[in-house]
Amino acid sequence: QVQLQESGPGLVRPSGTLSLTCVVSGGSMITDNWWSWLRQSPDKGLEWIGEIFHSGSTNFNPSLRSRLTMSMDRSRNQFSMNLTSVTAADTAIYYCARGEGIVLMVYGLWGPGHLVTVSS
Amino acid sequence: EITLTQSPATVSVSPGESVTLSCRASRNLNNYVAWYQQKVGQAPRLLIFGASTRAVGVPVRFSGGGSGTEFTLTISSLQSEDFGIYYCQQYNNWPPPWTFGQGTKVEVK
Repeated sequence: QVQLQESGPGLVRPSGTLSLTCVVSGGSMITDNWWSWLRQSPDKGLEWIGEIFHSGSTNFNPSLRSRLTMSMDRSRNQFSMNLTSVTAADTAIYYCARGEGIVLMVYGLWGPGHLVTVSS
Repeated sequence: EITLTQSPATVSVSPGESVTLSCRASRNLNNYVAWYQQKVGQAPRLLIFGASTRAVGVPVRFSGGGSGTEFTLTISSLQSEDFGIYYCQQYNNWPPPWTFGQGTKVEVK
């Protein structure tokens, strides 16, 4: 049974970089699925951040594209995101999730979520 | 970017009653709509995709409908475990972003 688990700092300073990793356990990442990041905050609700395929292809939310990178470590079965120049508006619960298919961009598998606070 | 507007924001329902939630899109979604349930402290749970297809393990009391820009989620005979917040999501437009509605809270009457 595939499971996802986010990890990373819970507090990031303003103007710093938010770095998160999602470990995939119980199955391979080399599948016909997009591996995604989403976040949730009281102000913005649920927001799709971006996704990465095992080939390395990525798609990003245009509102975050200039600050966002994603990568995948197939040997460790994990994928990561980096968001630079963070502000308080980036405070949110961050989720990693698996898209259900190459074109079926709904999320049937989620990590438990990781709260990131941007504050000095 | 496609905007999804859910209504009502909150609905109060007694156990055993039925409720219908609405999701309106700013453009035609060609039925590429999903519904999620979220409880406090948990990640969202996928209920419906393709506007009307139940995800694996989802009870038959959950049903999705609609087309074009108007979609609904109906919960028949609400159970105690059905109270929470429900979100719709669109995955129609390419390229992304995929977007979500602001949610409807289903609470105990």
